[in-house]
Amino acid sequence: GAGVSQTPSNKVTEKGKYVELRCDPISGHTALYWYRQSLGQGPEFLIYFQGTGAADDSGLPNDRFFAVRPEGSVSTLKIQRTERGDSAVYLCASSSTGGDSGANVLTFGAGSRLTVL
Amino acid sequence: RKEVEQDPGPFNVPEGATVAFNCTYSNSASQSFFWYRQDCRKEPKLLMSVYSSGNEDGRFTAQLNRASQYISLLIRDSKLSDSATYLCVVNHDNNNDMRFGAGTRLTVKP
Repeated sequence: GAGVSQTPSNKVTEKGKYVELRCDPISGHTALYWYRQSLGQGPEFLIYFQGTGAADDSGLPNDRFFAVRPEGSVSTLKIQRTERGDSAVYLCASSSTGGDSGANVLTFGAGSRLTVL
Repeated sequence: RKEVEQDPGPFNVPEGATVAFNCTYSNSASQSFFWYRQDCRKEPKLLMSVYSSGNEDGRFTAQLNRASQYISLLIRDSKLSDSATYLCVVNHDNNNDMRFGAGTRLTVKP
């Protein structure tokens, strides 16, 4: 598509529930990133994919968080047993990683706002 | 120590003022540097890349100091529309893994 698409835009869930957040990157972008942003803070790195593989998942806070990108395009961030502290805006971004001038330039989606009650 | 650090501000300046932000990074292997702008409740958007020799885009000037491991952003002749949070972005370990600072909030007042 023309931009990065994230769904749902808003998700309200109860503590302990399972949540999936979806990201559809710009067509042809090989790199995909997930960040989490709380109010008044900068985006906190979670995980970065290069193609289908997670090149760096060091930002995932614990084993309740998991992300996949099985075909190297759409990615899903999965959160198990949600806690109130998981409430934040989850941002997805994609970029090209070739030798062109767009390498490492991130284009973000509008984010998925997660509220855990 | 955080990998990318910024003064959170807020910076409150009058229209027409010149304002500068600094950002320090801890990973000496970093090679890619950017400034992003984020409006309230919106996603971050690229403002400008930062090149080794420094670069200018209209009223905005970005500079890189590798020896001291910091980058800067200078905004001249501030406009009301410049009010936003400015995010410093650095790549981790010279790859495509991008890390953000906490952002510096700017408010330009009439």
